[in-house]
Amino acid sequence: GAVVSQHPSRVICKSGTSVKIECRSLDFQATTMFWYRQFPKQSLMLMATSNEGSKATYEQGVEKDKFLINHASLTLSTLTVTSAHPEDSSFYICSAPGDANEKLFFGSGTQLSVL
Amino acid sequence: GENVEQHPSTLSVQEGDSAVIKCTYSDSASNYFPWYKQELGKGPQLIIDIRSNVGEKKDQRIAVTLNKTAKHFSLHITETQPEDSAVYFCAAGRGYSTLTFGKGTMLLVSP
Repeated sequence: GAVVSQHPSRVICKSGTSVKIECRSLDFQATTMFWYRQFPKQSLMLMATSNEGSKATYEQGVEKDKFLINHASLTLSTLTVTSAHPEDSSFYICSAPGDANEKLFFGSGTQLSVL
Repeated sequence: GENVEQHPSTLSVQEGDSAVIKCTYSDSASNYFPWYKQELGKGPQLIIDIRSNVGEKKDQRIAVTLNKTAKHFSLHITETQPEDSAVYFCAAGRGYSTLTFGKGTMLLVSP
């Protein structure tokens, strides 16, 4: 199947700083990518849909100014958590449709810890 | 919108036994049903999927069955191995872009 690469795998930052997470589609192009948040022992919660060349679509209750999404190329989407606070600590996962847009593949996730 | 219920939340089996995880969905228009395996600290990995025009699909020790009338689908793992231990998520939707995920099943396979 298609490979989605996500970096970093783990990041620890101080409260008030911003953190950028990258999601890349390897060997295939993705005009759309998805960003999820996952709390311990819980399911995946869709935060936003990243669209190449246009604005991201955010799910209800997700702060656009807190979670900035940029999808500047057909293989890269970034999620920036701005002015991070301890309550933003979570596991963030991206995904992209591969196999001729038939299936959804996930990155390896980023564990964000805000001190 | 779609609502996906997944049971059980935890499943413990002995190595070599079979494991079955069940999901129900609410939207009769859903036509795509993937299953993902997630190991601790990693992203979900697609292990098998099925579309609404098929009733069953098999891939070695893993199989998925779909009952459109009853709106439920199940994951079957035979001859379980310790490395099968993980959290399994089912999902349903009208294609990959509208997937709703179940709450997950933690499968523990004891040697």
